[in-house]
Amino acid sequence: ILNVEQSPQSLHVQEGDSTNFTCSFPSSNFYALHWYRWETAKSPEALFVMTLNGDEKKKGRISATLNTKEGYSYLYIKGSQPEDSATYLCAFNIAAGNKLTFGGGTRVLVKP
Amino acid sequence: EPEVTQTPSHQVTQMGQEVILRCVPISNHLYFYWYRQILGQKVEFLVSFYNNEISEKSEIFDDQFSVERPDGSNFTLKIRSTKLEDSAMYFCASSRQFVSNQPQHFGDGTRLSIL
Repeated sequence: ILNVEQSPQSLHVQEGDSTNFTCSFPSSNFYALHWYRWETAKSPEALFVMTLNGDEKKKGRISATLNTKEGYSYLYIKGSQPEDSATYLCAFNIAAGNKLTFGGGTRVLVKP
Repeated sequence: EPEVTQTPSHQVTQMGQEVILRCVPISNHLYFYWYRQILGQKVEFLVSFYNNEISEKSEIFDDQFSVERPDGSNFTLKIRSTKLEDSAMYFCASSRQFVSNQPQHFGDGTRLSIL
């Protein structure tokens, strides 16, 4: 059984502060690690798909790193804004087109 | 930007009744998926579909569930005889092709409530 864990479950961030959180996944049979941003009542929005050990990806103020050997990925938000408030999901798959196995999400609330 | 659309947004059904959830994937996508999230739990995979057949299914996806692509645009999930534990948010997703850097694109979901 593949287990993907995210921590913390939730965090409160002051506007302007930077933050980061973790996704851990099995280091064997790795194919890709996906990050999604999910706002309430909307569809999960794809942020990154990461495949190579040492990958770093960036989209605006959000970036992610990947360590496939030890089985973790970090997502960073620089200079958090209220619009960054959302649940951030990571998901892991073991082959192209294969099912995604999701973590439980990190719920981020940015306070003005 | 093209998006995955799901209907209805909320479905309330009596236990034992059949329900069909509908999805229109992104038009040039070839791979289709259903996931669900029971309240308070992780998003979990149900089934994937390619070339008009199921390519993978989870243990949740038993004989009560079926999927179909009845025409060139719709992708449906049918639950034949709903149970209380089928209450969840159901998400449809699609992806373009079997390459490593392609995300799965998700719809807004259908909230299914079984009474």
